[in-house]
Amino acid sequence: DQQVKQNSPSLSVQEGRISILNCDYTNSMFDYFLWYKKYPAEGPTFLISISSIKDKNEDGRFTVFLNKSAKHLSLHIVPSQPGDSAVYFCAAIRGSGTYKYIFGTGTRLKVLA
Amino acid sequence: DARVTQTPRHKVTEMGQEVTMRCQPILGHNTVFWYRQTMMQGLELLAYFRNRAPLDDSGMPKDRFSAEMPDATLATLKIQPSEPRDSAVYFCASGLDTLQRNYGYTFGSGTRLTVV
Repeated sequence: DQQVKQNSPSLSVQEGRISILNCDYTNSMFDYFLWYKKYPAEGPTFLISISSIKDKNEDGRFTVFLNKSAKHLSLHIVPSQPGDSAVYFCAAIRGSGTYKYIFGTGTRLKVLA
Repeated sequence: DARVTQTPRHKVTEMGQEVTMRCQPILGHNTVFWYRQTMMQGLELLAYFRNRAPLDDSGMPKDRFSAEMPDATLATLKIQPSEPRDSAVYFCASGLDTLQRNYGYTFGSGTRLTVV
């Protein structure tokens, strides 16, 4: 039972263009969402998060959008850079006092120079 | 720059052998997780601890996996006996539960386990 889904296993984007990574979830009890980036042979690193009471959070080139009615979130990277090439995982948390994340399966982003 | 340290980085073992993976969380962090990365499932939660107490190990095959925190500086994940299907990258992560929603957890670089 995959509660957090990333249906696109891979994505290629030209340098300077926008990258849009998508994530869908099934559990309406999730109240916080996070994005992690992972380079080969390294652990995932935290990128950005959003509370379910918001619909947008921005940090530099990275913006996360949340559509609660559609149970969908997306990560926008503008402009994309070759160094952004990595695997991106979305994760969800359910309820306060819960510390465990439910991760998606990841999307491999390749930014072409 | 504080980091989560995992040892060994790579482990190749024969089926049936015992495997122990170790994790040194960041000093002061009170929550420790073990995740396993597979192609099909992405990052699966195996177990987690808060203030060294196990909170949830429902993701672990109980008959062969065990996770412990003998002290605040060491977390271990043991597989006995190991099987080829256990081959994966195992990640440890640590964090402060009060900050994790805005800042996430810090992951180690992982242990790549190959069971032949």
